[in-house]
Amino acid sequence: DGGITQSPKYLFRKEGQNVTLSCEQNLNHDAMYWYRQDPGQGLRLIYYSQIVNDFQKGDIAEGYSVSREKKESFPLTVTSAQKNPTAFYLCASTPLDGVNQPQHFGDGTRLSIL
Amino acid sequence: GENVEQHPSTLSVQEGDSAVIKCTYSDSASNYFPWYKQELGKGPQLIIDIRSNVGEKKDQRIAVTLNKTAKHFSLHITETQPEDSAVYFCAASPPGGYQKVTFGIGTKLQVIP
Repeated sequence: DGGITQSPKYLFRKEGQNVTLSCEQNLNHDAMYWYRQDPGQGLRLIYYSQIVNDFQKGDIAEGYSVSREKKESFPLTVTSAQKNPTAFYLCASTPLDGVNQPQHFGDGTRLSIL
Repeated sequence: GENVEQHPSTLSVQEGDSAVIKCTYSDSASNYFPWYKQELGKGPQLIIDIRSNVGEKKDQRIAVTLNKTAKHFSLHITETQPEDSAVYFCAASPPGGYQKVTFGIGTKLQVIP
């Protein structure tokens, strides 16, 4: 079955540490996204990518970095510069065929500070 | 940029009753409005969507209405069941705006058996 796989499901970060969240999709979708979800704040866009080797900052990119070396993969690194990283992180993808399409989401990674 | 407001933030209904969630948007250029359901510990899943050339769309117990003039759209769930309990998000995006999806803050729906 096609879908989006996020790993790990739970992640703990020590102070001063960078951590990387994995996102892989086998839907052959062109665009991929990272969102942060906090209680009562909905989904906020961190980064998005339309094609390989290209990505754009979203609304809350500070303290995060991404790469898009393969169409299927869009890992997110939470750097030590992100002072409040505790949140639920969601990866999504969508095809680009000229008409708006719904986003397909993974089941998220919950990041906590030790 | 686009702003999407969603009401109510929490909603409790008796099993079998109807539930209505409302959203308003600010950008008149937005033309695509999906609704997502998120169960605990999972990612959101699309349940229904509507485009600006349509005023209403229905799929079994779920329906969505769109009023472009007033810039608001609503989700209607009839004959609610306990498995409908979840958080529901509305969203809006402009034409070709693959990167510009704006989400509401979500509505936590509880269906009481």
